[in-house]
Amino acid sequence: EDQVTQSPEALRLQEGESSSLNCSYTVSGLRGLFWYRQDPGKGPEFLFTLYSAGEEKEKERLKATLTKKESFLHITAPKPEDSATYLCAVQYSGGSNYKLTFGKGTLLTVNP
Amino acid sequence: GAVVSQHPSWVICKSGTSVKIECRSLDFQATTMFWYRQFPKQSLMLMATSNEGSKATYEQGVEKDKFLINHASLTLSTLTVTSAHPEDSSFYICSARGTTSSYEQYFGPGTRLTVT
Repeated sequence: EDQVTQSPEALRLQEGESSSLNCSYTVSGLRGLFWYRQDPGKGPEFLFTLYSAGEEKEKERLKATLTKKESFLHITAPKPEDSATYLCAVQYSGGSNYKLTFGKGTLLTVNP
Repeated sequence: GAVVSQHPSWVICKSGTSVKIECRSLDFQATTMFWYRQFPKQSLMLMATSNEGSKATYEQGVEKDKFLINHASLTLSTLTVTSAHPEDSSFYICSARGTTSSYEQYFGPGTRLTVT
């Protein structure tokens, strides 16, 4: 059973069409939930860390929220340059040495 | 801040040869560095974790003798793929965690390895 599940696998939006990406997790003892953005052929770019339920963080058109079971990445009025794969990862107390466990990602395409 | 570099960005080698990939934290000291590999359209798979001055901890199924990791300083880790074969062709990415209690990992740009 996957510990981190992201949905949808792929999402296609029109420019300006807001939406949300989901990351659900089944681990216990969450230390942190991380969102990254990855462009093709590049390493992941750090976006946010969320540590506790109820926490929210914002950066430009992105807003990340966290509950006890899942996190949402809200994208408001997206632009074509927001097209990328968005990765969610968790660290938990059962994991060793600050290890990150990743979901499979959501491929976001924003059409002009 | 929190910039991680990798060198080379891409490399082509012949089957049976060894390849070394460097990972450097440019503006912070990295207590822990991680090595991942990523196949096309798949997520990152952790290969090993290394702490400065200590032996690396490998994930289950990763061959220690094939993927040699050295973390000689707080700013440099190297991954050597020994006796590379075509199935080792992949995108290798490193990440680093700072010396504070921060949990964030910052990733390098990745190295594309092609073994012919």
